[in-house]
Amino acid sequence: GQSLEQPSEVTAVEGAIVQINCTYQTSGFYGLSWYQQHDGGAPTFLSYNALDGLEETGRFSSFLSRSDSYGYLLLQELQMKDSASYFCAVRANYGQNFVFGPGTRLSVLP
Amino acid sequence: SAVISQKPSRDICQRGTSLTIQCQVDSQVTMMFWYRQQPGQSLTLIATANQGSEATYESGFVIDKFPISRPNLTFSTLTVSNMSPEDSSIYLCSVEMSSYEQYFGPGTRLTVT
Repeated sequence: GQSLEQPSEVTAVEGAIVQINCTYQTSGFYGLSWYQQHDGGAPTFLSYNALDGLEETGRFSSFLSRSDSYGYLLLQELQMKDSASYFCAVRANYGQNFVFGPGTRLSVLP
Repeated sequence: SAVISQKPSRDICQRGTSLTIQCQVDSQVTMMFWYRQQPGQSLTLIATANQGSEATYESGFVIDKFPISRPNLTFSTLTVSNMSPEDSSIYLCSVEMSSYEQYFGPGTRLTVT
């Protein structure tokens, strides 16, 4: 089977940096994606890692360590609008579907 | 990118009835996906719908309960049959535009009374 773990909640203040971790146990590994979902909204794609290292997209970065079965999403210069749920999703093999993690609810305080 | 619309956006239904949810994409796509999401929970894949073939269902979901149609490359429907309060959830359709990026519809919020 496949399982993913994320912290259920994270709280930070505006302007800060926050890291949301994701650990996974899968039969294989093809890639790890991150999605943001605001309350009442649809999940939207943020970032993707297939190889070890850091991928940077504006204020958001994502890191992957395949040897540790671990990744994280880094959000810098936090803004109130970043308050949302964040999901990691892993694809074990090409052609297989993504499995989503339980999600992390981020609250950004003024 | 892809723009996805879903109908209805929300509905309240009585137990024992069925509801068909429509998903329309603004471009042709090979695979469409149907997910279920309880409020505050993760996304659970119900099935994958390919045009011209039977949908592929995930463990715990069966065709009799969640029949899916995929008549062309831009449209799909999911029916929730013989509903019970446990079917109350948000139902989302999505498409893959690359091997790593999915686009999701706005969801259908279903309440079964």
